[in-house]
Amino acid sequence: AQSVTQLDSQVPVFEEAPVELRCNYSSSVSVYLFWYVQYPNQGLQLLLKYLSGSTLVKGINGFEAEFNKSQTSFHLRKPSVHISDTAEYFCAVSDQGDYKLSFGAGTTVTVRA
Amino acid sequence: GAVVSQHPSRVICKSGTSVKIECRSLDFQATTMFWYRQFPKKSLMLMATSNEGSKATYEQGVEKDKFLINHASLTLSTLTVTSAHPEDSSFYICSARDTLGAPETQYFGPGTRLLVL
Repeated sequence: AQSVTQLDSQVPVFEEAPVELRCNYSSSVSVYLFWYVQYPNQGLQLLLKYLSGSTLVKGINGFEAEFNKSQTSFHLRKPSVHISDTAEYFCAVSDQGDYKLSFGAGTTVTVRA
Repeated sequence: GAVVSQHPSRVICKSGTSVKIECRSLDFQATTMFWYRQFPKKSLMLMATSNEGSKATYEQGVEKDKFLINHASLTLSTLTVTSAHPEDSSFYICSARDTLGAPETQYFGPGTRLLVL
């Protein structure tokens, strides 16, 4: 079984500033890692995923994340945010065997002008 | 891209009645679909895995007689909340895995907001 910890519940940030959302996980087996974004009253949209290979993963909308196995982390970054990035962000992990997702508690990003 | 729809988007019902929520994969076949529940300001909790042509697999603590799941075709799974009570009010989200696509990828529906009065 896995668990996911998102260390920041809320992150306020000014437009065009960088943002980092932290995610740590625990698992006894090899995992896949994901970041999803949820806009108000909508379902989840995949931002990016790590399956294997390069530890730096680039996703949609200018987001990227880095997998750090030794620190069991998968932090999400964007160098310059827009107002439209205001949303809820979820980190998720699945075992490579069964593909069921376990989600973190989410981080609310609020971008202000 | 892979699109998943849910119907209805929101529903209000009286306590004691049953409500059916549909999840459809619009442009791909989905042998496996998942049902999640999301409370306000909270994360998603996996309720069950829906398998086409067989019984759903429920997560620990989820009442299978309360939340009936039917996955009768490769593009449709339904979740029926039976004898709904106010504590069943929540945001229900489904996801689907493309049978022919990457197994680790789930495509999410827009969610159904259920309010039980």
